[in-house]
Amino acid sequence: EDKVVQSPLSLVVHEGDTVTLNCSYEVTNFRSLLWYKQEKKAPTFLFMLTSSGIEKKSGRLSSILDKKELFSILNITATQTGDSAIYLCALGATNKLIFGTGTLLAVQP
Amino acid sequence: GAVVSQHPSWVICKSGTSVKIECRSLDFQATTMFWYRQFPKQSLMLMATSNEGSKATYEQGVEKDKFLINHASLTLSTLTVTSAHPEDSSFYICSAHPAGGKTQYFGPGTRLLVL
Repeated sequence: EDKVVQSPLSLVVHEGDTVTLNCSYEVTNFRSLLWYKQEKKAPTFLFMLTSSGIEKKSGRLSSILDKKELFSILNITATQTGDSAIYLCALGATNKLIFGTGTLLAVQP
Repeated sequence: GAVVSQHPSWVICKSGTSVKIECRSLDFQATTMFWYRQFPKQSLMLMATSNEGSKATYEQGVEKDKFLINHASLTLSTLTVTSAHPEDSSFYICSAHPAGGKTQYFGPGTRLLVL
């Protein structure tokens, strides 16, 4: 059965800290791995990863995929209070997305 | 581009009534739309895949007679929660996959509260 496991479940940091969020997965037919940020409404897209070892970067956020070890990480450097959200990892398998439980990140001033 | 809207954004209804939620892709055509449900402090759970012009594909454990899905056009899918009960109270989110696109785009979600 395809599944996605995220860790930690929650994380509290101070502004300026660097955080690393983890996502491991099991899948029969891998197509992509996606990261989303969810605040009060629906998730907003961050990254889509399909190849191992190629870092995707957007400002202070970056992500990388390891298809051999079946995991991905999302890094956020110099965190700000606006980064507080739930970060969701999703596995793209066949034609649908399978979401992990998410990591709740709280950034304190 | 790739904007998805949902209507209503929130709804409160009495137990036993039916509620219809609309999902529209505003600037692209979507042969496939997806309906998710999210309970507080939990992740998104896929309920069903909505295919234009054909029957929806429901995930295991989702009652197709309770959650009616209609995908009448390439830009509109509707989810009707029939005979709603308090346990159906949740955040319902749709997403749409553009034809030939690589990822799904999410609507803003609909909060349903059944009293």
